Amino acid sequence: DTEVTQTPKHLVMGMTNKKSLKCEQHMGHRAMYWYKQKAKKPPELMFVYSYEKLSINESVPSRFSPECPNSSLLNLHLHALQPEDSALYLCASSQDPVNYEQYFGPGTRLTVT
Amino acid sequence: QQQVKQSPQSLIVQKGGISIINCAYENTAFDYFPWYQQFPGKGPALLIAIRPDVSEKKEGRFTISFNKSAKQFSLHIMDSQPGDSATYFCAAGYRQTGANNLFFGTGTRLTVIP
Repeated sequence: DTEVTQTPKHLVMGMTNKKSLKCEQHMGHRAMYWYKQKAKKPPELMFVYSYEKLSINESVPSRFSPECPNSSLLNLHLHALQPEDSALYLCASSQDPVNYEQYFGPGTRLTVT
Repeated sequence: QQQVKQSPQSLIVQKGGISIINCAYENTAFDYFPWYQQFPGKGPALLIAIRPDVSEKKEGRFTISFNKSAKQFSLHIMDSQPGDSATYFCAAGYRQTGANNLFFGTGTRLTVIP
């Protein structure tokens, strides 16, 4: 099973809302990633978790808060977002932090109104 | 600063033709070069990857050519099919404290005409 699942597929939220994105993998991978992708642009790395610990934060605003409850789950908590945060949010995983092969989920299409 | 430069931005190829997408980089610390395929509304999928000690890698209709001295690599899609129509991203990987990381190129939208 090489699948990374993400829920929800689509999310519309107001600027005052609090919502969460969820990512799950059952491949036994120990590194998990959050990316942001704007239309017609490449994915941009936001966060990396290695062995359930936050190892990389690419200077992401605090209105994005990642969480890794266990080795299979990754959440992204959203609060007080701006319309420019509207994008496709992608989760990925790799076998471990030094393995380059990243498997991406289908993404959550987020619209901030 | 774009770490990986990709061209062309868009490409139209006839069915059965060869699609060629090029990427260039500057940082010699990069040591892994993958290509990802992305369909609309989907996440990128790893297509093929190469290490800098190899000049060519072929998997089915997909071939990566790598020129270490020129710091360039390219994706060749032989016998292109309409189902290959997608956006292709090259990337370059480097080791950093915490985790290995990937820099993505800007993407090429490939359209294969029946």
